[in-house]
Amino acid sequence: VIWMTQSPSLLSASTGDRVTISCRMSQGISSYLAWYQQKPGKAPELLIYAASTLQSGVPSRFSGSGSGTDFTLTISCLQSEDFATYYCQQYYSFPRTFGQGTKVEIK
Amino acid sequence: EVQLVESGGGLVKPGGSLRLSCAASGFTFSSYSMNWVRQAPGKGLEWVSSISSSSSYIYYADSVKGRFTISRDNAKNSLYLQMNSLRAEDTAVYYCARESSGWSPFQHWGQGTLVTVSS
Repeated sequence: VIWMTQSPSLLSASTGDRVTISCRMSQGISSYLAWYQQKPGKAPELLIYAASTLQSGVPSRFSGSGSGTDFTLTISCLQSEDFATYYCQQYYSFPRTFGQGTKVEIK
Repeated sequence: EVQLVESGGGLVKPGGSLRLSCAASGFTFSSYSMNWVRQAPGKGLEWVSSISSSSSYIYYADSVKGRFTISRDNAKNSLYLQMNSLRAEDTAVYYCARESSGWSPFQHWGQGTLVTVSS
């Protein structure tokens, strides 16, 4: 099993801020990492796959980086619609695993 | 437009059974691996099970292995999750999700169906 440590669990920020979320793996997964955004009462939405490839339609203020065991999601200029919970997920092997989630809230 | 619509959730007693369905449309269902992911109230996402396009490969989370069975009917464009010996900790919203290609991230998700296990 590949364990994932996502941090922080809660992030308080203001509109316009640059925020980063970290995801660390217990073993290397090359670039088989995805990031999802979930808003309350809604299904998750895919933001980034292959660690750094933006899903079609996702704003360019979102970016991903990393490979191996350490990955980062960055939102360059936080917008009101970005306040949500973010999850990383590895798809390198089974069982698929998700990070614990990072809630981005208004400061 | 890709659409995934789950159904079959509800209230069931501990030890009971439930069968979830996911009706797919807007794409060639038989070409894609499919998944079930669940989310307990106020908690994070938990992968439950995956099935390859032709049902040749099936995987389960340890937490449901031996109790849940994933299946699909490509002629009916439908995905299923048979859940037996249900426990309180199985209470969650269950999502079906489609991968983008082969084994890959979950590109499309349904709206979810709530399963509540309680006496």
